[in-house]
Amino acid sequence: DAEITQSPRHKITETGRQVTLACHQTWNHNNMFWYRQDLGHGLRLIHYSYGVQDTNKGEVSDGYSVSRSNTEDLPLTLESAASSQTSVYFCASSESVTGELFFGEGSRLTVL
Amino acid sequence: RKEVEQDPGPFNVPEGATVAFNCTYSNSASQSFFWYRQDCRKEPKLLMSVYSSGNEDGRFTAQLNRASQYISLLIRDSKLSDSATYLCVVITLYNNNDMRFGAGTRLTVKP
Repeated sequence: DAEITQSPRHKITETGRQVTLACHQTWNHNNMFWYRQDLGHGLRLIHYSYGVQDTNKGEVSDGYSVSRSNTEDLPLTLESAASSQTSVYFCASSESVTGELFFGEGSRLTVL
Repeated sequence: RKEVEQDPGPFNVPEGATVAFNCTYSNSASQSFFWYRQDCRKEPKLLMSVYSSGNEDGRFTAQLNRASQYISLLIRDSKLSDSATYLCVVITLYNNNDMRFGAGTRLTVKP
């Protein structure tokens, strides 16, 4: 069965370190998204991609970057982790921009 | 004002009750609407789309009110398994396919 997986599921890091969260989907979807979820804010879009070599900034992109070198993967990089980036991160993919979003299980990141 | 707003709850209801949630949105040009369900510490999953004419799926009914800019979700005959957080999603296609999630409404169904 097609799926979307994230790794690591849990990570603790220190302020200033670079962190990369992986997202891999086997749906063959062109559209991929990264969200963060914090209490009281719901899901907020960080970056998204509509295809290989395409990346776009979302609502809360400062301090994050993504790259899309193939259809399956959209890694999210925190260049210099800050305590404000402690959150749960969800990757998602979709077949169309108005279609169902399929989410990964989430990555819980703690920045100390 | 947030672009998409939901009553955070929590809504605590007994089994068998009918409960309704609303979600208001600020952009009158928004075109696509959805309800997602999220269980504690899990990923969100699509519950249902919201069509202009309204739609029903078993015990769940979703409606759109464009004039007042809100969508609603009605759950009839609540089950314990309905306990979750319900997220509304609003998409505005002309605005670079802007997709916004509400913060979610938490529902607890009790025996």
